Amino acid sequence: KAGVTQTPRYLIKTRGQQVTLSCSPISGHRSVSWYQQTPGQGLQFLFEYFSETQRNKGNFPGRFSGRQFSNSRSEMNVSTLELGDSALYLCASSYMTGRETQYFGPGTRLLVL
Amino acid sequence: GQQVMQIPQYQHVQEGEDFTTYCNSSTTLSNIQWYKQRPGGHPVFLIQLVKSGEVKKQKRLTFQFGEAKKNSSLHITATQTTDVGTYFCADQAGTALIFGKGTTLSVSS
Repeated sequence: KAGVTQTPRYLIKTRGQQVTLSCSPISGHRSVSWYQQTPGQGLQFLFEYFSETQRNKGNFPGRFSGRQFSNSRSEMNVSTLELGDSALYLCASSYMTGRETQYFGPGTRLLVL
Repeated sequence: GQQVMQIPQYQHVQEGEDFTTYCNSSTTLSNIQWYKQRPGGHPVFLIQLVKSGEVKKQKRLTFQFGEAKKNSSLHITATQTTDVGTYFCADQAGTALIFGKGTTLSVSS
């Protein structure tokens, strides 16, 4: 089975721009979660989607949004980028409840200049 | 909000020495998951502990969940250079994982 895939792997943007990251979960997995990883704050939960519905949301500003499609693929969007948004954005998929083993993708490394 | 504290932040050992990382919370943990992230890599699931006092072993790795479900530990016996990386504990809060800051292990041969 193919693992979780994320595109793009690397991205450079400037302040004020917006960005869209994509995640394809493991085949058959319906829960997709997003995490932000920075050296200072570590791994922080952004949101989780199941059946195209946001089921859980972390403590991030409204500039961070996401969605899930009927094939379980997910996208996250960050608008009005700030320097502090530079991070590794990780997507994780799990089978159904989101409480099973989470399988992480390789991440998208975003640099905001 | 819920916090998971992990110590130490860094640990350097000689190959063959043992290593332990500790995870603590002021509130009762739902269940603890442990992940390993190699340098430049992504977190990889190691194990999940659910029951109070639970102990699980994976070869040289021993995982424990405290009796009060407020702490957990990961112990590696006789470290190898392949053990380098950052080890994270995470508490399951609904469908979200609340991660500790991790312990970065370096091993010299």
